[in-house]
Amino acid sequence: NAGVTQTPKFRILKIGQSMTLQCTQDMNHNYMYWYRQDPGMGLKLIYYSVGAGITDKGEVPNGYNVSRSTTEDFPLRLELAAPSQTSVYFCATVPQGLAGVSSYNEQFFGPGTRLTVL
Amino acid sequence: KQEVTQIPAALSVPEGENLVLNCSFTDSAIYNLQWFRQDPGKGLTSLLLIQSSQREQTSGRLNASLDKSSGRSTLYIAASQPGDSATYLCAVSSGSARQLTFGSGTQLTVLP
Repeated sequence: NAGVTQTPKFRILKIGQSMTLQCTQDMNHNYMYWYRQDPGMGLKLIYYSVGAGITDKGEVPNGYNVSRSTTEDFPLRLELAAPSQTSVYFCATVPQGLAGVSSYNEQFFGPGTRLTVL
Repeated sequence: KQEVTQIPAALSVPEGENLVLNCSFTDSAIYNLQWFRQDPGKGLTSLLLIQSSQREQTSGRLNASLDKSSGRSTLYIAASQPGDSATYLCAVSSGSARQLTFGSGTQLTVLP
């Protein structure tokens, strides 16, 4: 299993450009999350999904959009890039058993995408 | 709204010392608490997960405790080594989607 993969690893955008950050997992996890980490800070939740076709906003959703058409993929879209979106973006998943997500289940993180908007 | 605070923000110790990192959270309705390690420019490495019903977890030289009622956790590192130098992040799982709320981290430097 590859786990959680993210592409690209690095990207530089100009103000106003758009791009999609890709996140793919091969663990058949229903719950997926997008976080951003600004320099010297912890991670903040952007969007999350509890299954294919279901998405919801987190703490900092402005300027982003997501979709979840399959269990495996959870892309994050930036429509009009702004310097404030310069950050490292992490995708994460949590397994869900028959009884739902238990307190034992840890979140698995991808390696991150480092985005700079100039 | 869940908020997580980590103290201190930075810590520098000589090699061999035992040390404690602190984490506090405002809402005790959590599913679990995770401690992560992050090296500069790298991703997150999960160190320990404590379920809400547990009091502590141990892995090698690391021991994490959880006092859910007071909203506190500590990460104890025994016999610190220069290789332990990194940022340590605490995160609690709460909310309908079990999302993680992170602290800002403690930057640890272990001096040879």
